[in-house]
Amino acid sequence: AQSVTQLGSHVSVSEGALVLLRCNYSSSVPPYLFWYVQYPNQGLQLLLKYTTGATLVKGINGFEAEFKKSETSFHLTKPSAHMSDAAEYFCAVNYGGSQGNLIFGKGTKLSVKP
Amino acid sequence: GAVVSQHPSRVICKSGTSVKIECRSLDFQATTMFWYRQFPKQSLMLMATSNEGSKATYEQGVEKDKFLINHASLTLSTLTVTSAHPEDSSFYICSARDSFGVGSYNSPLHFGNGTRLTVT
Repeated sequence: AQSVTQLGSHVSVSEGALVLLRCNYSSSVPPYLFWYVQYPNQGLQLLLKYTTGATLVKGINGFEAEFKKSETSFHLTKPSAHMSDAAEYFCAVNYGGSQGNLIFGKGTKLSVKP
Repeated sequence: GAVVSQHPSRVICKSGTSVKIECRSLDFQATTMFWYRQFPKQSLMLMATSNEGSKATYEQGVEKDKFLINHASLTLSTLTVTSAHPEDSSFYICSARDSFGVGSYNSPLHFGNGTRLTVT
């Protein structure tokens, strides 16, 4: 079955440190890839997406992600963490089903220490 | 940008009553909307796909008679939790995709802010 794996349910970094959130998908056919952020008691906000073209994708709030087909990965990074980055992050894939539904990873909670 | 409005944001109801949650696309049209349920500290689980003008498609294990979905127009889908029980308490989120934009098929989903349902 198609799936999305996010390694680490909780990641903690210091303010100013590198943020790395991991996401791997299971498919021989490259899907469309998304990262969403969720703040407490709110819906999801799109950070960035990969569909075709350049494999390094830049998103909002200084985040970026690189699609690596050979590793079936789409890890999310940010060079310098800010306190406001503390939230839950979800990787999602669209395998192009009949209605284009997303399959979500289980999420990674990012904590930022002062 | 595209906005999805979900209402109410919080609702508390008594066991046995029904609750209706609305999901509106404010500046775009959506032939398809999705309803999710999120348990504490877990990911979103797709409950059903709401199709404008036709019956919703429910995921395995989701009771269609308990979670009634109506997608009456291109900008509104509703989820009604019927005869609610405490185990229905959860965070419900809807999403929609602009059905008519360029490259809409794989354009991002836009999410509502969710509804926190508490059944006492």
